[in-house]
Amino acid sequence: AQSVTQPDIHITVSEGASLELRCNYSYGATPYLFWYVQSPGQGLQLLLKYFSGDTLVQGIKGFEAEFKRSQSSFNLRKPSVHWSDAAEYFCAVGEGSGGGADGLTFGKGTHLIIQP
Amino acid sequence: KAGVTQTPRYLIKTRGQQVTLSCSPISGHRSVSWYQQTPGQGLQFLFEYFSETQRNKGNFPGRFSGRQFSNSRSEMNVSTLELGDSALYLCASSFGAGDTDTQYFGPGTRLTVL
Repeated sequence: AQSVTQPDIHITVSEGASLELRCNYSYGATPYLFWYVQSPGQGLQLLLKYFSGDTLVQGIKGFEAEFKRSQSSFNLRKPSVHWSDAAEYFCAVGEGSGGGADGLTFGKGTHLIIQP
Repeated sequence: KAGVTQTPRYLIKTRGQQVTLSCSPISGHRSVSWYQQTPGQGLQFLFEYFSETQRNKGNFPGRFSGRQFSNSRSEMNVSTLELGDSALYLCASSFGAGDTDTQYFGPGTRLTVL
């Protein structure tokens, strides 16, 4: 069965500093990988996704993620965070671009806190 | 284009009651998936409907059911509510079937069971 691990429950970063959120997945075939962000009281917003091709994926709001098959990782990065980036971030894996037969499998999330 | 809408946004019920949640997908989208989000279990897939047919279902008891109408709007129903059903229920829509197209999420319905 597929699974996703986000090792960091909380991360605190100073505004303007760089950010890296970790994501490790377990999946037998070529995965479809996603990062979503959830602000308080909001649903999930898709930041970026990886299906194939270039392993460095650019997303919205200045985020990027790198797929590393050898490490089963799909870490999310941003060179300079803004206070508005404070939110919950979810990594997800699926069989297909929309999730696959069993829907998307999500990690438990990383809560990002931005210090002024 | 309007996003995914869910109604109601908040709901309070008591144990043993039943509840119906509604989801209107993005115009033109034919697939609707439902997820349950709780602090303990995180986000879990409930089921997906495509063209009025349930394609897949997650590991949830039969008390959880759903349906999709010809206009792609979807409802999910939970019968005989339990305290553990308190959660944020998220709906996501996609143009194609859930395994072929990116899902876009609504704001969710917060269900509290007392």
